[in-house]
Amino acid sequence: AQSVTQPDIHITVSEGASLELRCNYSYGATPYLFWYVQSPGQGLQLLLKYFSGDTLVQGIKGFEAEFKRSQSSFNLRKPSVHWSDAAEYFCAVGAILGNEKLTFGTGTRLTIIP
Amino acid sequence: KAGVTQTPRYLIKTRGQQVTLSCSPISGHRSVSWYQQTPGQGLQFLFEYFSETQRNKGNFPGRFSGRQFSNSRSEMNVSTLELGDSALYLCASCRNRATQETQYFGPGTRLLVL
Repeated sequence: AQSVTQPDIHITVSEGASLELRCNYSYGATPYLFWYVQSPGQGLQLLLKYFSGDTLVQGIKGFEAEFKRSQSSFNLRKPSVHWSDAAEYFCAVGAILGNEKLTFGTGTRLTIIP
Repeated sequence: KAGVTQTPRYLIKTRGQQVTLSCSPISGHRSVSWYQQTPGQGLQFLFEYFSETQRNKGNFPGRFSGRQFSNSRSEMNVSTLELGDSALYLCASCRNRATQETQYFGPGTRLLVL
């Protein structure tokens, strides 16, 4: 069965600092990987996705993520965070036969300090 | 193009009652999935519908059910509500049941069971 681990429950960074959120997955084949962001009381917004090809993927809001098969990781990065990036971030893996059923990590809450 | 819409946004019920939540997918999307989000269990897959048929089901009791209509709109029903059913219920849609599809989420329905 597929699974996703986000080892950091809560991260605090200063505005303007760089950010890396960790995500490790367990899946028997090449996974389809996603990062979603959720603001308080809101649904999930897709930041970026990896299906195949270039292992460095660019997303919205200046985020990027790198797929590393050897480490089973798909870490999310941003070079300079803004106060509006404060939210909860979820990594998810989809099934190779269809992404209608996503398995999510437990999420990482990001706090930005001035 | 309008996003995924969910109604109602907020709901308060008492134990033993039943509730029906509605989801309208993005126009042209035929697959609708439902997720439950709670602080304790995180995001968990409930079920997925495509062409008015349930195609995938998560590990939830039979009190949780759903259906999909010919216009792809979907409803989920929870009967005999329990306190533990208090959660944010998220609906997501994608175009087809195929690889390299992306799920887009609605804002959710927040259910409080008293």
